[in-house]
Amino acid sequence: RKEVEQDPGPFNVPEGATVAFNCTYSNSASQSFFWYRQDCRKEPKLLMSVYSSGNEDGRFTAQLNRASQYISLLIRDSKLSDSATYLCGAMTTDSWGKLQFGAGTQVVVTP
Amino acid sequence: GAGVSQSPSNKVTEKGKDVELRCDPISGHTALYWYRQSLGQGLEFLIYFQGNSAPDKSGLPSDRFSAERTGGSVSTLTIQRTQQEDSAVYLCASSLRGLARSYEQYFGPGTRLTVT
Repeated sequence: RKEVEQDPGPFNVPEGATVAFNCTYSNSASQSFFWYRQDCRKEPKLLMSVYSSGNEDGRFTAQLNRASQYISLLIRDSKLSDSATYLCGAMTTDSWGKLQFGAGTQVVVTP
Repeated sequence: GAGVSQSPSNKVTEKGKDVELRCDPISGHTALYWYRQSLGQGLEFLIYFQGNSAPDKSGLPSDRFSAERTGGSVSTLTIQRTQQEDSAVYLCASSLRGLARSYEQYFGPGTRLTVT
């Protein structure tokens, strides 16, 4: 079983709608989490860091559920430009700095 | 300011040849990471440098892979006797350790390696 797992999608979302998807992690020592967006044939770009229970940045909200070992990302008022693959990365307390990534969730926002 | 840079952006090599991939981290970032990403896959951790500490090489897939970081800045990932399964995008990232929110990693554009 992979340490970090994501639903590959695609999540097809009408423009203006809300979409949410989860990232589950198996290592209970995971302490910090990072959401990246990756456009086709581009490098991942940091979207949000989560060091405690959650984080919010504009239309994007991340929520961490330590009991169930997952972190979610919610996108409100989806824009066409939000179409991308969203990667989840987890960092454990015994390997600070090393990120374990999921395979990503593809989001497609349609007009 | 300048982000992470990598060179070359694309590399095509014949099976069995050695290749060197270069990474220039963000100025002042003390931590440097190498990952690789195969088509349609997530990022696979390879190696991690932090300051003068011994690197974490736990992700290197075989002894054909090695990396060094000179002067605490530029890093070179070397793959010897390349195999077709080495074909992937090799991504470098850096982060600023020691301060709040310092584990955030910023990625370079990657080197797309194709082994024929």
